[in-house]
Amino acid sequence: GESVGLHLPTLSVQEGDNSIINCAYSNSASDYFIWYKQESGKGPQFIIDIRSNMDKRQGQRVTVLLNKTVKHLSLQIAATQPGDSAVYFCAENYSGAGSYQLTFGKGTKLSVIP
Amino acid sequence: DVKVTQSSRYLVKRTGEKVFLECVQDMDHENMFWYRQDPGLGLRLIYFSYDVKMKEKGDIPEGYSVSREKKERFSLILESASTNQTSMYLCASSPAGEGDNTEAFFGQGTRLTVV
Repeated sequence: GESVGLHLPTLSVQEGDNSIINCAYSNSASDYFIWYKQESGKGPQFIIDIRSNMDKRQGQRVTVLLNKTVKHLSLQIAATQPGDSAVYFCAENYSGAGSYQLTFGKGTKLSVIP
Repeated sequence: DVKVTQSSRYLVKRTGEKVFLECVQDMDHENMFWYRQDPGLGLRLIYFSYDVKMKEKGDIPEGYSVSREKKERFSLILESASTNQTSMYLCASSPAGEGDNTEAFFGQGTRLTVV
C-alpha cells in the first residue's frame, strides 16, 4: 500500500544551525500535509501544514516545502535551539476520499548539540 | 485551545484483563481517533469515529474495540489484554472540514504495560 516515509531516521545539528528534515510520500493524490513535533513523554503537537496548491509555507522559524513532482516534503527549522530536540513526523491526507485520516511517517529524531 | 485529555498517563494491567482507555475532547470535534505508537513503527491507526455511535476500523483493529456514546468521549477497549498490546496509545480529534482537511489534535498519550 501507499505510505509516508522519511529519508533520515536521526539528525544531529549544532545549536544555532538550520535543520532540514525530509519526508517522501507515495500517494500522488494526497493534498494535505502536516508536520508534527513530539517531545519525550508527550503527544504529537502540530507545527505547520501545507495544502497541495502551495509549494512553500512559513511559520515562526519553520518553513515547509512541498515538491509534488518528486513527492517530497521537507521541514526547515531556522536557528535550531535545544528546545527543538524531539521526534518530527510528517503526515499526509487525501481529502477527495471524504476521509480525514492522516497517514504518518515513522519519524525523525532531531538532536540539538549545545 | 483545543484540549484532548486521556484519563491515564501510565497503566499496568495483567494479561487477560479487560482494559478501558478513555479520551475526552472539549472542542466539539466530530472526528476522533485512536493510535498506537511503537518504536520503529510510528503511529498506527486502530479505530476512528466520525460521529456519535459510529466507528470504523483502522489499520490494526484486531484485539480492540471502541465506544462513542457521546460526541466528546471516545473509549478504546482491550477485550483481553495481551503482552503484545504493551504500547503508547494516543487519542486525537479533529473537526469535520467542509471539503478541507485540518490537523488532528493529540492527547498526551497513555503508556500501557501488559504483564
